Amino acid sequence: SQTIHQWPATLVQPVGSPLSLECTVEGTSNPNLYWYRQAAGRGLQLLFYSVGIGQISSEVPQNLSASRPQDRQFILSSKKLLLSDSGFYLCAWSVGWGVEQYFGPGTRLTVT
Amino acid sequence: GIQVEQSPPDLILQEGANSTLRCNFSDSVNNLQWFHQNPWGQLINLFYIPSGTKQNGRLSATTVATERYSLLYISSSQTTDSGVYFCAVEPKTSSNTGKLIFGQGTTLQVKP
Repeated sequence: SQTIHQWPATLVQPVGSPLSLECTVEGTSNPNLYWYRQAAGRGLQLLFYSVGIGQISSEVPQNLSASRPQDRQFILSSKKLLLSDSGFYLCAWSVGWGVEQYFGPGTRLTVT
Repeated sequence: GIQVEQSPPDLILQEGANSTLRCNFSDSVNNLQWFHQNPWGQLINLFYIPSGTKQNGRLSATTVATERYSLLYISSSQTTDSGVYFCAVEPKTSSNTGKLIFGQGTTLQVKP
């Protein structure tokens, strides 16, 4: 069966520091991968998606970037965090489009 | 872009009561999913239901794609049903990427 992992689970970082969040999927090949962010008390917003290695599309201009160095690995990064980057970050995968999407456990980021 | 509206925003029930959550969307979709976000933030897949009716235990869902709405029914509610329920859609205009657009959620509290 397929599983999705995210780490770390929680993170507290000062303003201006770098960020690296990792997501890995097991049990499937060539998945579509997604990064979403949830601000406190609100719905989820898609940040990035990837349909293959090295293929990244950005949905929202911002202080963040994403990379997909391996088929089942998706990384969210920042060179310098802002207070507004605080939130709950969720990674998701699907086998294509028009099909069910599955979410990881999330990373709760607090920028101080 | 597509608009996804969920109602009601908040709902308080006594244990054992039934409820109906609604999701309206403004354009045609490839995919519609219902999720339950638990107190730890994990998004639990409830239904993948771009059209038709499905049932899973005390929960059922109906999507009428031609009229652009979906309903989630919870019967005989339990305290463990508490949390936030999200509707998410994949617009047909999403260039076959699988991108999900989320509603703002319905926060359900079931009192013992």
